[in-house]
Amino acid sequence: DIVLTQSPLSLPVTPGEPASISCRSNQSLLHTNGFNYLDWYLQKPGQSPQLLIYLGSDRASGVPDRFSGSGSGTHFTLRISRVEAEDVGIYYCMQGLQTSWTFGQGTKVDIK
Amino acid sequence: EVQLVQSGADVKKPGESLKISCKTSGYTFSKYWISWIRQVPGEGLEWMGKIDPGDSYTNYSPSFQGHVTISIDKSTSTASLQWSSLRASDTAIYYCARHLGRNAFHYRLDVWGQGTTVIVSS
Repeated sequence: DIVLTQSPLSLPVTPGEPASISCRSNQSLLHTNGFNYLDWYLQKPGQSPQLLIYLGSDRASGVPDRFSGSGSGTHFTLRISRVEAEDVGIYYCMQGLQTSWTFGQGTKVDIK
Repeated sequence: EVQLVQSGADVKKPGESLKISCKTSGYTFSKYWISWIRQVPGEGLEWMGKIDPGDSYTNYSPSFQGHVTISIDKSTSTASLQWSSLRASDTAIYYCARHLGRNAFHYRLDVWGQGTTVIVSS
């Protein structure tokens, strides 16, 4: 199985400041087609998860451009350029290279 | 509008059977995989398995293989998750989610149901 390890697990943030979350995989997520099979999801309090970033760096429809994804192979990063209050919740990375798909443990983001 | 509407919360005893549902609308049901994801209270997300509504082919996580069954009803565009014998450890929120297509490249989960809470307690 592919294991994803996120850090930090808890991230207190200040509105207006940047924030970043790391996701490391025990295997490369770079497919032979050149795409990295790594997504980012946000689960806001009391809600279902929602897709933020797919294939490592592509923003999903409707996602603000303050969110960006980067990385390749085994190390990926989600960045929020300027955190807003509505960004609180738990962020998960998920790999799609191997069925069975797996998620990271989650990173809880809240306001300081 | 694409929607996945799940059945309501349920409380069962260990050993009982249960089937929860995920009714879809707003798109062609047969063209998109559907997965089920578990979230134990206070914990993270676990992918359980998926079904291809085009041919009813299923894949399961080894962690859930043999304990749950995923099925579909094409006549109502509904996917289901069922247990024949529940355990207390099955207490969780269960989400259905639609993949972006029917191939490995479109693995991402673009639309999620609202979740179904299942409580298993004697």
